[in-house]
Order: sequence, then C-alpha cells, then structure tokens
Amino acid sequence: DAGVTQSPTHLIKTRGQQVTLRCSPKSGHDTVSWYQQALGQGPQFIFQYYEEEERQRGNFPDRFSGHQFPNYSSELNVNALLLGDSALYLCASSLGQKNSNQPQHFGDGTRLSIL
Amino acid sequence: QQQVKQSPQSLIVQKGGISIINCAYENTAFDYFPWYQQFPGKGPALLIAIRPDVSEKKEGRFTISFNKSAKQFSLHIMDSQPGDSATYFCAASGAGSARQLTFGSGTQLTVLP
Repeated sequence: DAGVTQSPTHLIKTRGQQVTLRCSPKSGHDTVSWYQQALGQGPQFIFQYYEEEERQRGNFPDRFSGHQFPNYSSELNVNALLLGDSALYLCASSLGQKNSNQPQHFGDGTRLSIL
Repeated sequence: QQQVKQSPQSLIVQKGGISIINCAYENTAFDYFPWYQQFPGKGPALLIAIRPDVSEKKEGRFTISFNKSAKQFSLHIMDSQPGDSATYFCAASGAGSARQLTFGSGTQLTVLP
C-alpha cells in the first residue's frame, strides 16, 4: 500500500523562475492538500483540491496555483519565484473532503531552494 | 483566530522520563486535534488525534489530554526513548474550513540515553 509520494525530492531554482511539484496521493484517497513548511516552522496550508477543483485556499498569493487530475494526483505550480519561497513543500492526502474521521497523510515533501 | 500556540519550543528529557508538550487554540470551531511527529528529512507522520467530546486518549506510550473549557490540549510521552527524538507538531481543524490543518510552531524533543 503506497503512501503519499512526491517528486522531485529536491529542486534548486533562481528568482523569477517557475516550478512544478507533483504529488500522488495514498491509494484510495481522493483529496489532496498542499502545505509550505519554512525551516524551523510548522506547515502552512496553501490549498486543497477535491473533485479536480480548488476547494479551500490559505493566505498565499496567486503565484501559487495547482491542479488535480482525474486519478487524484496533483501538481503545485509557483510562478515568479522569490527567495522567500524556499521551503519544504508537503502534500497531504485524505479520503473525503469534509470527512472528519479521515486523517491527512503526508508525503516526505519537496525541498525547494531559491538562489 | 486560526492560530495554534505550542510550547515549549525545545525539550530535553532523560530516557524513561515523561515528555509533555502543550498547545492552545482560539477558534472554537476546531473539532479535531491531531499530533504529528516529524523526523529530519521526512514528512509529518500522524501520531495520535482527539476530538473534543473526550478529555483523554491513550495509544501505547502516547496520551492526549484535552481541556475544552480552557481551549488547551497536550501530548504526554511516557517512558520516553531516544528513538522518540524528533519534532512534534500539534494541529487543529474544523468542519467549516474543508479540514485544513492549522499547525503549531513545533517542539524539538531530545531524549538523552
């Protein structure tokens, strides 16, 4: 039973570039949430995708966008990268968007470094 | 207020001792309170979770205590082991926010052998 998988593991970009991060949810899960974790801090919610639509968004600018595919996998896109975007980007999957009985399972993240 | 406040920032405990981490929240709409454990280079892993209809939940050496009136909850790790050395995050979510998790700032636990 594969857990949440994310790719790539590490990524180095320069300011102004754009990046795409990928996530495959845990088998049987249909909801994907993305979080940004700066060094030494707790994860911050970016947005959530369910039924291929963005359902909820945290306090992040429009430079952050995403997509969910019919197989429930998801992408996070960040445009016009800033130095402050350097962080660990975590994907979490769960079953049922509002099901309070289903926990969120996290992948090991993509470490994004902006030079 | 969506904030979840966590303390202490770091904690050093001797092997066999009890580790206690505390969290407080403001949003009364929160109804699910998980604790996550994170090792370096890894994503957060769910440890244990509680809902406000119970005051305590125990799973092995890990216990959550919940005080709804004070809007506080805590994680107790009994018989702490060096392998428990990790960063621990409390979190909270509510039905009205699509179940997004609001995390505390984390506690770095070191268990000395």
